[in-house]
Amino acid sequence: AQKITQTQPGMFVQEKEAVTLDCTYDTSDQSYGLFWYKQPSSGEMIFLIYQGSYDEQNATEGRYSLNFQKARKSANLVISASQLGDSAMYFCAMREGGTGGFKTIFGAGTRLFVKA
Amino acid sequence: ETGVTQTPRHLVMGMTNKKSLKCEQHLGHNAMYWYKQSAKKPLELMFVYNFKEQTENNSVPSRFSPECPNSSHLFLHLHTLQPEDSALYLCASSPEGSGTDTQYFGPGTRLTVL
Repeated sequence: AQKITQTQPGMFVQEKEAVTLDCTYDTSDQSYGLFWYKQPSSGEMIFLIYQGSYDEQNATEGRYSLNFQKARKSANLVISASQLGDSAMYFCAMREGGTGGFKTIFGAGTRLFVKA
Repeated sequence: ETGVTQTPRHLVMGMTNKKSLKCEQHLGHNAMYWYKQSAKKPLELMFVYNFKEQTENNSVPSRFSPECPNSSHLFLHLHTLQPEDSALYLCASSPEGSGTDTQYFGPGTRLTVL
């Protein structure tokens, strides 16, 4: 069965420093997608970055990069040069391309606090 | 207006009330989703519509009734809810509902059932 694990309930980072949010996943499918979303206190889920299981390069979007280690089944999010506005909940998610249908499984989330 | 919008943003209702949540997407997507986000629980998929057809019902109680009149609009009709149904209800859309589609979310409706 699909499973997403985020082991860090909360993280602190100093403004302008980099931070890594951990995510491990479990699937028996060869084709799947991995996603990271940011949820500020307002509630909206904001899409940050996507990594396909067949992508050989790690995905990058501005200050966000996804450290994809397929053999370890990990998809950690790296935020460089943290900003105060990065304080939010961050969710890792996975969607299987074959048998998973339209289901996306979300992790429990990591709350990031950026300190000035 | 762009993206995914949801109305109302906040809703308080009694257990005997009937209300509806509305979601509209302006992205030209063909798949739409309802999620429930309760405190201290991961996001739970409730329903999926692809090209207006329901393709997923994740064992949701019948007091939640979805409706998708077209690819741009999605409703969630609520009746005789329970206090444990209080949660943030998020709508999302994606281009075609395939496995590696990216979903884009609305701001959510925060529902309180008294």
